[in-house]
Amino acid sequence: AQSVTQPDIHITVSEGASLELRCNYSYGATPYLFWYVQSPGQGLQLLLKYFSGDTLVQGIKGFEAEFKRSQSSFNLRKPSVHWSDAAEYFCAVGGNDYKLSFGAGTTVTVRA
Amino acid sequence: DVKVTQSSRYLVKRTGEKVFLECVQDMDHENMFWYRQDPGLGLRLIYFSYDVKMKEKGDIPEGYSVSREKKERFSLILESASTNQTSMYLCASSPTGQGYSYEQYFGPGTRLTVT
Repeated sequence: AQSVTQPDIHITVSEGASLELRCNYSYGATPYLFWYVQSPGQGLQLLLKYFSGDTLVQGIKGFEAEFKRSQSSFNLRKPSVHWSDAAEYFCAVGGNDYKLSFGAGTTVTVRA
Repeated sequence: DVKVTQSSRYLVKRTGEKVFLECVQDMDHENMFWYRQDPGLGLRLIYFSYDVKMKEKGDIPEGYSVSREKKERFSLILESASTNQTSMYLCASSPTGQGYSYEQYFGPGTRLTVT
């Protein structure tokens, strides 16, 4: 079975600064990897996904993520954070049974 | 755009009541899912369905049941609500296809409070 670890529960970043959220997964084969964002009181929105091919994937809202097989990681990055990026971010991994396994989430606070 | 709708955004029920949470998707997706979300625990899968009238237990099915009579609709049922079922409930759907079956689209959630 697959699993996901998001080591950071909460990150505070200044507006305009760069952001990196960590995600480590456990799965025996090449996984399907996702990042979702959840604004307060809302459902989850898909930011980006990795299925295969280029290990650097681009998503919506200026986010990107890099798949590193050797480190079992799929970290999310944004070069310059906007106040509207304050939200909770979830990393998820899919294996071979229709199901996604989610990390516990990282809450991002953006300070002016 | 995929649209997943949930019947209520907020719901307050009493202990012992039977509770129905409804979810409808408009993209003809085969797969549908029910999760509950609690602080610090992320999303936990309750049940999922990969076809009409088909269902499979997720990680925390105890105290819940589901119904999928039509492809677009997936209902979560709390047979006898308890206070420990107070939570945010999220519905999702996904298409079939290698990799794409994991690309889930979520509804806005129902925040259920059981008193």
